Amino acid sequence: GAGVSQTPSNKVTEKGKYVELRCDPISGHTALYWYRQSLGQGPEFLIYFQGTGAADDSGLPNDRFFAVRPEGSVSTLKIQRTERGDSAVYLCASSLGLGEVGDTQYFGPGTRLTVL
Amino acid sequence: LAKTTQPISMDSYEGQEVNITCSHNNIATNDYITWYQQFPSQGPRFIIQGYKTKVTNEVASLFIPADRKSSTLSLPRVSLSDTAVYYCLVGDPGISGSARQLTFGSGTQLTVLP
Repeated sequence: GAGVSQTPSNKVTEKGKYVELRCDPISGHTALYWYRQSLGQGPEFLIYFQGTGAADDSGLPNDRFFAVRPEGSVSTLKIQRTERGDSAVYLCASSLGLGEVGDTQYFGPGTRLTVL
Repeated sequence: LAKTTQPISMDSYEGQEVNITCSHNNIATNDYITWYQQFPSQGPRFIIQGYKTKVTNEVASLFIPADRKSSTLSLPRVSLSDTAVYYCLVGDPGISGSARQLTFGSGTQLTVLP
């Protein structure tokens, strides 16, 4: 079946611009996660949704970052006034959201964001 | 969240068994141990998860000693396509309502040589 998809696969923008990154989770998955991965590092948690609500946004680095999931499926990560330090691969993952062992997270291929 | 320590890199040859050990000295009672694999330009992929003793699936085995302060991922008869970064993660996947984000370390770069 279809996995997690993310668009665009690559995004190049200029410092100060606004960007939106989209994630389509696996159908039926109620939990959705955003991570950010810098070169040579493991993914770093940003935000977690259970349904439409952000259950934990403690990983968002500052108020320039915001994410929504209005209908409990597709999610959009929004970054305002981008900075060069925002350049990274942004990964999305989804899971059934059962809250128990075996609730495996399935990752998308990521969006590579480059801020010039 | 428990901190994990893994070797930065490992080399192996095709057909050999590879064991990657992860230290997690401050693992909590409710924590499970999970391993992910990541290829370049792809998201991490779940390999195996366990709590104690030994777990085996079609791709790997996970060995966890009684004190649970470490774990070893075992990959039997590796091939060139197993070259990837392997992450060990420790956390409680089951607390309802709590943050269930995965905390990744820097991982182990496994290189399989012909």
